[in-house]
Amino acid sequence: AQSVTQPDIHITVSEGASLELRCNYSYGATPYLFWYVQSPGQGLQLLLKYFSGDTLVQGIKGFEAEFKRSQSSFNLRKPSVHWSDAAEYFCAVGANAGPAIGYALNFGKGTSLLVTP
Amino acid sequence: GAGVSQTPSNKVTEKGKYVELRCDPISGHTALYWYRQSLGQGPEFLIYFQGTGAADDSGLPNDRFFAVRPEGSVSTLKIQRTERGDSAVYLCASSSPRLGGRDTQYFGPGTRLTVL
Repeated sequence: AQSVTQPDIHITVSEGASLELRCNYSYGATPYLFWYVQSPGQGLQLLLKYFSGDTLVQGIKGFEAEFKRSQSSFNLRKPSVHWSDAAEYFCAVGANAGPAIGYALNFGKGTSLLVTP
Repeated sequence: GAGVSQTPSNKVTEKGKYVELRCDPISGHTALYWYRQSLGQGPEFLIYFQGTGAADDSGLPNDRFFAVRPEGSVSTLKIQRTERGDSAVYLCASSSPRLGGRDTQYFGPGTRLTVL
């Protein structure tokens, strides 16, 4: 069965420290990969996406993610965290099944990021 | 331009009542998606429209849930005989897909449904 796992429910980092949020997936083929961020009371905002090509993807707000096929992972990183990065982060996977256009996203359960002074 | 909008932002209803949730996609987006996010969980796919037709409704939990998109733009998610377990944030997303995928889904702010 297809699945997306975010192993860390909560992560706490100090402001200015580096961050890595983990995401592992189980899919039959190379999926499309996304990271979204959700602040309290806000909708989901796309941080970055991977469809193919260069496995290191740059996103907004200084985030990047690396697709590692051998590890079935798509971890999100940021070199220096800001207090405003505190939010819920969701990894999502989609798979285009062929001629059909559009596809459902399968989300992980999310990682809640707390940033301390 | 305007993003995806959803109305109402909050809906409180009583068990057994009927509710309708509305989604206005980004102008020109042909694909529209509904997801449900329960407390502490990631969004869960419900249904996807391409144009006016439901291309994939495999995520609808049961026949109390129904969605329409009669003119290929605005969509309404309808829930009959609501149950307390239906309480969640209902998210709508839209995209402009192309053959082979590679489109991005843009999400609205959601409708928080509370069933008492």
